[in-house]
Amino acid sequence: DQQVKQNSPSLSVQEGRISILNCDYTNSMFDYFLWYKKYPAEGPTFLISISSIKDKNEDGRFTVFLNKSAKHLSLHIVPSQPGDSAVYFCAAVNNAGNMLTFGGGTRLMVKP
Amino acid sequence: KAGVTQTPRYLIKTRGQQVTLSCSPISGHRSVSWYQQTPGQGLQFLFEYFSETQRNKGNFPGRFSGRQFSNSRSEMNVSTLELGDSALYLCASRDGAGIGEQFFGPGTRLTVL
Repeated sequence: DQQVKQNSPSLSVQEGRISILNCDYTNSMFDYFLWYKKYPAEGPTFLISISSIKDKNEDGRFTVFLNKSAKHLSLHIVPSQPGDSAVYFCAAVNNAGNMLTFGGGTRLMVKP
Repeated sequence: KAGVTQTPRYLIKTRGQQVTLSCSPISGHRSVSWYQQTPGQGLQFLFEYFSETQRNKGNFPGRFSGRQFSNSRSEMNVSTLELGDSALYLCASRDGAGIGEQFFGPGTRLTVL
């Protein structure tokens, strides 16, 4: 049973435009969410996180939105750059904080 | 600060053998977690160690085990290797206090022939 789902396996965006990556979860015990970026043969790199007490967190070109009632979060990248091309994973943590549950990932391709 | 380091980076083993992977966390981090990444199953949590104690365990068979030393370095062991154990094994560390992001190492690519 997948508790964290990223329903789009891939996304293609033109450079300079907005990239929106989506993530849904089912476990109400999750109260902290993170986005990671991963290049092949490397470990995931932390991008941005959000606590369940917030609905938005922004860091430069990256903004994460959380809709608790819909159990949905999204990552917005504006403007998208070719270097953003990678696989993006959303992850959720319960209040014990010691285990990440990952979505299946979305491969983002930003075309010049 | 140096990041999370994992050794070896690549490993080839045959079925039935056992393997030990090593992880050195970021200095000051007391929590080390292990994850397995495969094309079919994605990123899955194996276990977490905090202050030399296993604090949480994922849904993996007993062939997968680990330990943590007093300097927070961790090892993961897989016995009686199977073809399906071929994967990227990732180690992540955090300071262990409350909820916070985990920082990942580059991983060990294990191939079982």
